Formats: sequence, structure tokens, C-alpha cells
Amino acid sequence: GNSVTQMEGPVTLSEEAFLTINCTYTATGYPSLFWYVQYPGEGLQLLLKATKADDKGSNKGFEATYRKETTSFHLEKGSVQVSDSAVYFCALSTGGGGYQKVTFGIGTKLQVIP
Amino acid sequence: GAGVSQSPSNKVTEKGKDVELRCDPISGHTALYWYRQRLGQGLEFLIYFQGNSAPDKSGLPSDRFSAERTGESVSTLTIQRTQQEDSAVYLCASSSRRSRETQYFGPGTRLLVL
Repeated sequence: GNSVTQMEGPVTLSEEAFLTINCTYTATGYPSLFWYVQYPGEGLQLLLKATKADDKGSNKGFEATYRKETTSFHLEKGSVQVSDSAVYFCALSTGGGGYQKVTFGIGTKLQVIP
Repeated sequence: GAGVSQSPSNKVTEKGKDVELRCDPISGHTALYWYRQRLGQGLEFLIYFQGNSAPDKSGLPSDRFSAERTGESVSTLTIQRTQQEDSAVYLCASSSRRSRETQYFGPGTRLLVL
């Protein structure tokens, strides 16, 4: 079956530090890959996505590249801010037609300190 | 509506009691998902509704769990004879026909079974 493995947190960084959150996956077929973010007290929201190999998703300074050869989708940001403190979930979806079955990782908590 | 809403935001109940959780998806979204998020764990798929099609109930952990949805509107998740292991955050998400891969999440209902 499908699975997503991401690094356990919490990850604590100083403001303006470089961020990497690793994510690897196992899936049949050709999944789409996602990063969702959950800010304190809020619901999950889509941060970025990539739908095929070598695609790069980007949003709010975050980037992730779909690497089929290493089955990875690592999240990066060059300079984190305190406002980036949140829980980050890596996810994949499979399924053609109307049903998109999404598998999530356990989430990585990021804490950015001033 | 502007986003997915869920109620109640928090629920404390006694073991053995029944609880009902509600989800209002984004207007016009045909697909609706329920997930469970236990402390320190990833999102666990429970059930999926797509329009008037038969729901995918493959993720429901036991026959104590059931869910209903009226057309493409409100959904309720019912847990009968609650157990302590049911304590978790229950998340609802919806997606549109045009962008099936992107799920929009509600803030969740935090359930505590004493």
C-alpha cells in the first residue's frame, strides 16, 4: 500500500535559518505529492504540490521537488520566519477519475525562535 | 461558505456515550472526507463521500463508527458507545470536481473520551 515517511519533530530553528524537512514515499502508480501546513489553532491548508516527476512546487518561499528516482519530496525554505512555526504534513494522492485517496505522513512540528 | 466548518470544536464525553460530529463543506464541493488524527500520529482516513455515489467506508475502524451525508452538503460522523481510544481530533475535508486533488480542511473537532 501507499505510505509517507517524514522526519519526526519537533524541529527548532532560529529565524533566517535554512529549513529542510525530509519526506519519502512508497506508492503504486504515479502519485501526486503535497505539503500541507497546519498553523496553531487552524485547519490543514495546502502549501504546495507537484503532480509529476521533476516538477517543483513552490509557495510562500517554500519549495519541494518531486524526485521519482529517490521517491522523495523534501520541503525547503532558505530563510524561515517566526510566522512559519506550524506542523507540516507530507502527503500523496493516487487514483484516477473522481476519487483521490490521500495518504499523509505523521507531521513535523517546526518551531522558529527569534 | 468561505471554508469548511466543523462543530463542535471540542467535545468531552464519558466512555459509553454516543457523540455526533458535524461538518459543513465548502459550498459546491462534491467530495467530502473524514480523517482521524491521534496525538503524535498522522491523519487516518475514515470515510469518503462523492456526490450521490456509495461512500467509501473502508477506513472506519469499527461498526461503532458511521457517517451520513445529505446530497452534497452537511455530513455527520457518529461514534456510538465511545471508548477512550476514540480520543482524537476528527478532521473533515472537501474538494471540488475541478480540483479533486486539493482538499480543504476544517479546523477539526477535538474529542476527549473520559
